[in-house]
Amino acid sequence: AQKITQTQPGMFVQEKEAVTLDCTYDTSDPSYGLFWYKQPSSGEMIFLIYQGSYDQQNATEGRYSLNFQKARKSANLVISASQLGDSAMYFCAMREDEYTGTASKLTFGTGTRLQVTL
Amino acid sequence: DAGVIQSPRHEVTEMGQEVTLRCKPISGHDYLFWYRQTMMRGLELLIYFNNNVPIDDSGMPEDRFSAKMPNASFSTLKIQPSEPRDSAVYFCASSFGGEETQYFGPGTRLLVL
Repeated sequence: AQKITQTQPGMFVQEKEAVTLDCTYDTSDPSYGLFWYKQPSSGEMIFLIYQGSYDQQNATEGRYSLNFQKARKSANLVISASQLGDSAMYFCAMREDEYTGTASKLTFGTGTRLQVTL
Repeated sequence: DAGVIQSPRHEVTEMGQEVTLRCKPISGHDYLFWYRQTMMRGLELLIYFNNNVPIDDSGMPEDRFSAKMPNASFSTLKIQPSEPRDSAVYFCASSFGGEETQYFGPGTRLLVL
């Protein structure tokens, strides 16, 4: 089974609207972390937001929030008030802390390409 | 603050040549990671270091690939000899602590002809 699944290869959203990018994960590790990264067309990987498996509250960073539903193993990224500059690939990633034996390894999903339109 | 620095940003070489990619992590970070991104395989971890010591190199594709970290501010990823299937974007990332956020460099786009 895929450890990180992003089922939306591409999404469109109108400027100023909110958009949700889906991410589901698969782990039996009790301690893990979930990350979202943005990759614009220029190619760099930009960290957006982090959620720890023991965090009680959903993470928020400015216009980004992470809708963490632990029982459903989902960690969806919500971008509010979309801007043209949000057009990019978005990757969900997971770090498993105990079972892999290598605490720092990130496993990435295949990404979702978001296009913000006028 | 300076982020992770990688050089070169682009590299075009011929099959069989040696390629060396360079990375300077964020100052004070004790973990350094090398990733490779391709259309077919996505983003995959090649190797990572903690305090300049290689911890996990299970992602290194084969013996043609080697990585070193001679000091806390410099790492290299070497491919010798290079092959067309090595064409990819190679990212270096660093973090302060093994469970902390990894910050990525701009990547090196490698094309092997």
